[in-house]
Amino acid sequence: ILNVEQSPQSLHVQEGDSTNFTCSFPSSNFYALHWYRWETAKSPEALFVMTLNGDEKKKGRISATLNTKEGYSYLYIKGSQPEDSATYLCASPTGSYQLTFGKGTKLSVIP
Amino acid sequence: GAGVSQSPSNKVTEKGKDVELRCDPISGHTALYWYRQSLGQGLEFLIYFQGNSAPDKSGLPSDRFSAERTGGSVSTLTIQRTQQEDSAVYLCASSHDGTYSYEQYFGPGTRLTVT
Repeated sequence: ILNVEQSPQSLHVQEGDSTNFTCSFPSSNFYALHWYRWETAKSPEALFVMTLNGDEKKKGRISATLNTKEGYSYLYIKGSQPEDSATYLCASPTGSYQLTFGKGTKLSVIP
Repeated sequence: GAGVSQSPSNKVTEKGKDVELRCDPISGHTALYWYRQSLGQGLEFLIYFQGNSAPDKSGLPSDRFSAERTGGSVSTLTIQRTQQEDSAVYLCASSHDGTYSYEQYFGPGTRLTVT
């Protein structure tokens, strides 16, 4: 992995369903993995900053795990609600001093 | 407290004109970043300021782009002789410092349209 990649690109779920998506990043010279939520017409908002292999963080119904050895992180949303509809971005430094962002996973929660 | 603010929120300009975009970071944040998101693309890093250090300009796409940060606070991104491919949402972010352990706080962005 040479870049930060996210999958799927978009996702539609029914209200109440749980869902998850993936962020892949270079595992060499790992420093940190960031997750952001970007709602339409708003600013990206930080969800988690993760630095330790095996780390798991939780904020309400949203949680994230981190595997730095294999270079992936999962974001989980339990019992999706319409207000969870947003684009979820992950970011990690890749060969430079700055964060490289993935293209995001666009989540739509259908009431 | 006040978040990151940006102005203008929208800017429509003619090809070839210069534009200035402004960012007011969170007070006390020493790190300031500019990004842009073109249609269908991810967030693209442009430039990074950390305290009084020389800025990291490695993401600027051409010499038509420049940025300043005065007094360690307000920043201005200038695009000279704008081209249609410059049309994008330009986002500014600040963080406590430039290490990766701190999240970045984003402004609402400036939507630039070059006609």
